Amino acid sequence: RKEVEQDPGPFNVPEGATVAFNCTYSNSASQSFFWYRQDCRKEPKLLMSVYSSGNEDGRFTAQLNRASQYISLLIRDSKLSDSATYLCVVNGGTSGTYKYIFGTGTRLKVLA
Amino acid sequence: GAGVSQSPRYKVAKRGQDVALRCDPISGHVSLFWYQQALGQGPEFLTYFQNEAQLDKSGLPSDRFFAERPEGSVSTLKIQRTQQEDSAVYLCASTLGYQPQHFGDGTRLSIL
Repeated sequence: RKEVEQDPGPFNVPEGATVAFNCTYSNSASQSFFWYRQDCRKEPKLLMSVYSSGNEDGRFTAQLNRASQYISLLIRDSKLSDSATYLCVVNGGTSGTYKYIFGTGTRLKVLA
Repeated sequence: GAGVSQSPRYKVAKRGQDVALRCDPISGHVSLFWYQQALGQGPEFLTYFQNEAQLDKSGLPSDRFFAERPEGSVSTLKIQRTQQEDSAVYLCASTLGYQPQHFGDGTRLSIL
């Protein structure tokens, strides 16, 4: 089993839709969680950190469920520019607190 | 510059050649990471430096891969006797402490 698992998609949604991605992780000792966005042929860029209490940044909401070992990302009012791959990232625990473990990414395509 | 800088952006080499990839981290960032990203996959950890010390090289696929950061700033990833399976994007990231990692544009390596 992979340490971090995501549904690769693609998720094709119309503009204005709400879409949610989940990501599960296997190491219960993991400390930090992030969502990164990666556009085609570009580097990953931090979208948001994920905090235990959940956090929101504009149209984006991230949540962490430690008991079930998953994190989620909700995107409201999808824009065409949201089309990208969303990478779930976990670090900490026995793998070493510095090491990032990436999921394979979930591809999102927002359609006009 | 303000970001992580990698060079070259693209590298084409013949099988069996040696290649060297360079990473210039954000000034003052103590931690530096190398990742390998195959098409359709998330980045995979290769190695980690704290200043000039290579603290973890567990992700290096073989002894053909070698990384160094002699003065604690610029790092070089060297691949000897390249093979076709080495074709990938090589990403460098840096961070200060346990803050989120910042990625460079990557080097796209193609082995013919």
